[in-house]
Amino acid sequence: KNEVEQSPQNLTAQEGEFITINCSYSVGISALHWLQQHPGGGIVSLFMLSSGKKKHGRLIATINIQEKHSSLHITASHPRDSAVYICAVRPYGGSQGNLIFGKGTKLSVKP
Amino acid sequence: GAGVSQSPSNKVTEKGKDVELRCDPISGHTALYWYRQSLGQGLEFLIYFQGNSAPDKSGLPSDRFSAERTGGSVSTLTIQRTQQEDSAVYLCASSFERGVWGNIQYFGAGTRLSVL
Repeated sequence: KNEVEQSPQNLTAQEGEFITINCSYSVGISALHWLQQHPGGGIVSLFMLSSGKKKHGRLIATINIQEKHSSLHITASHPRDSAVYICAVRPYGGSQGNLIFGKGTKLSVKP
Repeated sequence: GAGVSQSPSNKVTEKGKDVELRCDPISGHTALYWYRQSLGQGLEFLIYFQGNSAPDKSGLPSDRFSAERTGGSVSTLTIQRTQQEDSAVYLCASSFERGVWGNIQYFGAGTRLSVL
């Protein structure tokens, strides 16, 4: 069993739809990251959170430490949101760089 | 520079040769990370540098891999006696550490290594 599981693996949505991507993990963590990998390969950090909720524009990330679960929401989705979204966790006791990555959720938003 | 710079962007080498990959982090960032992404696989942690502290090398897959960071800035990842399974995109990231929880990482465009 992978320590970081994302669902769904693939997601196709129509422009304007509300999107949710889920991340579950099995280890105790001190932080969780959400990353976006563009079709060309470039990676952008979206959020780093250890509790509660963060919002940036149309993106919202939440985390429930007790349930070992995080969600990334995209409101009013747009074709430019098409990318692979990656969840990564920093286990307790690990260094800040020692992240365990999920396999990603490939999102395709159709116009 | 404005972002994390990696060179070369592409490297093709023969099995058994040594390669060096370079990373220039964002100026002022104290933390530097190396990851790799093999074809069809997820990202994998390799090594982490933070200031003058001893690096976390726990992700290096074998003793053929080494990395150093000179003067707290530029880093070089060296792979000796390359093998075909070393083929991957090698990504560097940097961040300005803020407290014990760290900070957002900024990624370079990566070096695509192909071992023939």
